[in-house]
Amino acid sequence: DAGITQSPRHKVTETGTPVTLRCHQTENHRYMYWYRQDPGHGLRLIHYSYGVKDTDKGEVSDGYSVSRSKTEDFLLTLESATSSQTSVYFCAISLQGERGGYTFGSGTRLTVV
Amino acid sequence: SQQGEEDPQALSIQEGENATMNCSYKTSINNLQWYRQNSGRGLVHLILIRSNEREKHSGRLRVTLDTSKKSSSLLITASRAADTASYFCAQFRALTQGGSEKLVFGKGMKLTVNP
Repeated sequence: DAGITQSPRHKVTETGTPVTLRCHQTENHRYMYWYRQDPGHGLRLIHYSYGVKDTDKGEVSDGYSVSRSKTEDFLLTLESATSSQTSVYFCAISLQGERGGYTFGSGTRLTVV
Repeated sequence: SQQGEEDPQALSIQEGENATMNCSYKTSINNLQWYRQNSGRGLVHLILIRSNEREKHSGRLRVTLDTSKKSSSLLITASRAADTASYFCAQFRALTQGGSEKLVFGKGMKLTVNP
């Protein structure tokens, strides 16, 4: 997926531990998003960012925090992972302003045991 | 919390046949988008159709939009095994009353094209 990378690709962690997922873009886009994808729910927006230090909550933000100290990096942190946060996490960027199409990363598969 | 709902939820066809997927939505839209997701991969943006457009083409893809019926359809002509994927429609919707609109996805539709 051109211009956007997520790390790690896979992670297994224990309940109660903190976890940080990273999204890195190389194209200096302003808008970045974190979604989670779960069977039966499709994709749901967790947090989003309009620029450096400008972030806001999505529809399923409880238990998650984000930071964007540089344009190219958008970090998603699970402060204390729970089994309900086992999911596939996708980062996305908007290429053509806020209402354009999104480009997605390849995802991070997180398992909380 | 889903805005768009794809129909059918799963479709299995033979290579060479056409595949039609439908999406219904509830509120007025600025634009509607279709995405494809191959197994284990991220979503790929296919096409965006604006609310003042009725039809749009991209290669073997044809998207129609009927704002009076609040519905859209994605047609894939002459399907190939490589078209096997999940397909999602998405629209911008306010997550909270009076809040800014964000891209909300349907639950997706699984298309299987048999060789």
